[in-house]
Amino acid sequence: ILNVEQSPQSLHVQEGDSTNFTCSFPSSNFYALHWYRWETAKSPEALFVMTLNGDEKKKGRISATLNTKEGYSYLYIKGSQPEDSATYLCAFGDFYNFNKFYFGSGTKLNVKP
Amino acid sequence: NAGVTQTPKFQVLKTGQSMTLQCAQDMNHNSMYWYRQDPGMGLRLIYYSASEGTTDKGEVPNGYNVSRLNKREFSLRLESAAPSQTSVYFCASSAGQGEGNQPQHFGDGTRLSIL
Repeated sequence: ILNVEQSPQSLHVQEGDSTNFTCSFPSSNFYALHWYRWETAKSPEALFVMTLNGDEKKKGRISATLNTKEGYSYLYIKGSQPEDSATYLCAFGDFYNFNKFYFGSGTKLNVKP
Repeated sequence: NAGVTQTPKFQVLKTGQSMTLQCAQDMNHNSMYWYRQDPGMGLRLIYYSASEGTTDKGEVPNGYNVSRLNKREFSLRLESAAPSQTSVYFCASSAGQGEGNQPQHFGDGTRLSIL
C-alpha cells in the first residue's frame, strides 16, 4: 500500500483569490499522476493526467505541475470562483502495477462569493 | 451520453445478506475498476479488470468478488455483507489496458448501508 498525501485537507478562500495545493507521493516507481475534481453529489471528473517529470498542464484557470524526483505535484487555481468549490483528488500510478491507482484523501476547496 | 452507469444508487442490507452491484460503461473502454470511499479516506481500489476476461485484486479485496461479464459490464459482489462494508462504492473505466496514462471515468456511486 502506497501513501499519497494531500495538503491542506480543506481550504476556504474568497472569490478572486488564487490558491494552490499539494499532492505528495513516493518518488520511486512513478508511472503517472492524475488530478480529479469532485463536486458534491457528483462523481469525480478527470482534470489532468501527468506522466513526465517537469510536466505542466493547464485547463482554463487551473494548472498543475509535476516533480517526480522529489515526489510532489501542485495544483493551482488562478482567480478562484464559487464554481471551483469542490474536492480535488490526486491519484498516483505505480510503475509495477499500472492499474493500481492510489488516491489521496483530497483537498476540499470552498470559494466564498 | 450515459458514460458509466451504476445500479442501484442506494441499498440497505442486513449483516450476512448478499448482493451484487452492477456497473456498465458505453465508451468501449478496456479497463474497469471498483473503489470504495469512506469518510476521511481517499478512494481505495477493491478490484480491477484490465481487459475482458481478466480481474485482479486491488488494495482492499477481502469480502468481495467481481465478474467481468463482457467488455461493458463489471459487477461487484458481497457474499456475506458486514457492517465494515458500509461505504460508497464507485465504478470507473478507462481506455487502454491499464497503461495508466488514460483518465478514469466514474459512475455516480452506490451508497450501501449494512445494518
